[in-house]
Amino acid sequence: EAQVTQNPRYLITVTGKKLTVTCSQNMNHEYMSWYRQDPGLGLRQIYYSMNVEVTDKGDVPEGYKVSRKEKRNFPLILESPSPNQTSLYFCASSFQGRDTQYFGPGTRLTVL
Amino acid sequence: SQQGEEDPQALSIQEGENATMNCSYKTSINNLQWYRQNSGRGLVHLILIRSNEREKHSGRLRVTLDTSKKSSSLLITASRAADTASYFCATDESGGSYIPTFGRGTSLIVHP
Repeated sequence: EAQVTQNPRYLITVTGKKLTVTCSQNMNHEYMSWYRQDPGLGLRQIYYSMNVEVTDKGDVPEGYKVSRKEKRNFPLILESPSPNQTSLYFCASSFQGRDTQYFGPGTRLTVL
Repeated sequence: SQQGEEDPQALSIQEGENATMNCSYKTSINNLQWYRQNSGRGLVHLILIRSNEREKHSGRLRVTLDTSKKSSSLLITASRAADTASYFCATDESGGSYIPTFGRGTSLIVHP
């Protein structure tokens, strides 16, 4: 089944404790991206990747890192999480960036 | 940057009625997409309309695009309780990044 998976789905952590949210797609898509969704603000793009080893900042990249060492994986790294990073995070992929995006189920992160 | 803005922010209707939501954007686009999100879940692609198209249909969905007014509308006919969700437009800016940018969404409630 074609899908985008994210892990973990729920995470509660404390300020400053490094964490990684994994994202994997099995559709051989070149484009992958991360979004955060906050009430009243909609979806905001954090980072995107056009291909392996090619990443670029979105609208709200501060406090996040990403890597794209393999085509299928695009992990989101929070080196020192802070409470303002409490949010619902979505990973998405597409064959070509300008077309249909397939979204993962989301990761609800709480930083205390 | 966030380009598409949906209107209204919230819409409440009875089952069987039509639901219309609008999206306005600021710059030239290559295409515009509509997505649906059930509460707390990942977004699901509904329909893509290209800048040289004026209208598209998919089942009970009808999307129009007016590039002169920089606006699009999504019409859901004969709505059902299962249509209750948030609806987002995503625009692909001409010359912009390769990943579409999303608006804040319209929350639709369909009462049985």
